[in-house]
Amino acid sequence: EIVLTQSPGTLSLSPGETATLSCRASQSVGSRYLAWYHQKPGQAPRLLIYGASTRATGIPDRFSGSGSGTDFTLTISGLEPEDFALYYCQQYGSTPPPFGQGTKVEIK
Amino acid sequence: EVQLVESGGGLVQPGGSLRLSCGASGFTFSNYAMSWVRQAPGKGLEWVSSISGSGTSTYSADSVKGRFTISRDNSKNTLYLQMNSLRVEDTAVYYCAKDLTPRLLLPLFDYWGQGTLVTVSS
Repeated sequence: EIVLTQSPGTLSLSPGETATLSCRASQSVGSRYLAWYHQKPGQAPRLLIYGASTRATGIPDRFSGSGSGTDFTLTISGLEPEDFALYYCQQYGSTPPPFGQGTKVEIK
Repeated sequence: EVQLVESGGGLVQPGGSLRLSCGASGFTFSNYAMSWVRQAPGKGLEWVSSISGSGTSTYSADSVKGRFTISRDNSKNTLYLQMNSLRVEDTAVYYCAKDLTPRLLLPLFDYWGQGTLVTVSS
């Protein structure tokens, strides 16, 4: 069973800055079956990135994903006010499909 | 427009049962696997169970295996989660979620419902 570890736990940044979030898997994630979601308070998660680097429908290009194997990164270039939220990575290539514990991006 | 609307949550005593429903619209329901994902208060996301589009294949987390049963009625465009032998640690918001890819069971979720709260407490 794959375990996903996200870092840092909290990222304090100002609007306009770049956020770099990490997701590390306990074993290789086959075929880059790695997704990123964000979740705002009181709302359901929203899919941002899948296949490690493909943006979901309607996601702006300031969001980008990279990585393979066990190390993956979500980069948000030029934080907008609506980007301050919780971010989760998820492996979806096998069952159970785990989520990371989350990274909170907060306003500095 | 894709819509997923959960219902059936509430307060139940430990050992009790509850059935959650998720009504779907805006897409060909039978073409897509569906899942339940839960989130305990102040905690992260936990996958619970998935079911194929036809309903013939199901998968569940070890934490709920033998207690929760996922099912679907494609004629009613509705997903269900029957929860028995509920425990305090099952307290969470339960989301239904739609797979992005049709005709596969690949738990990558492009649409989520608004969630329904299940509270297990005496």
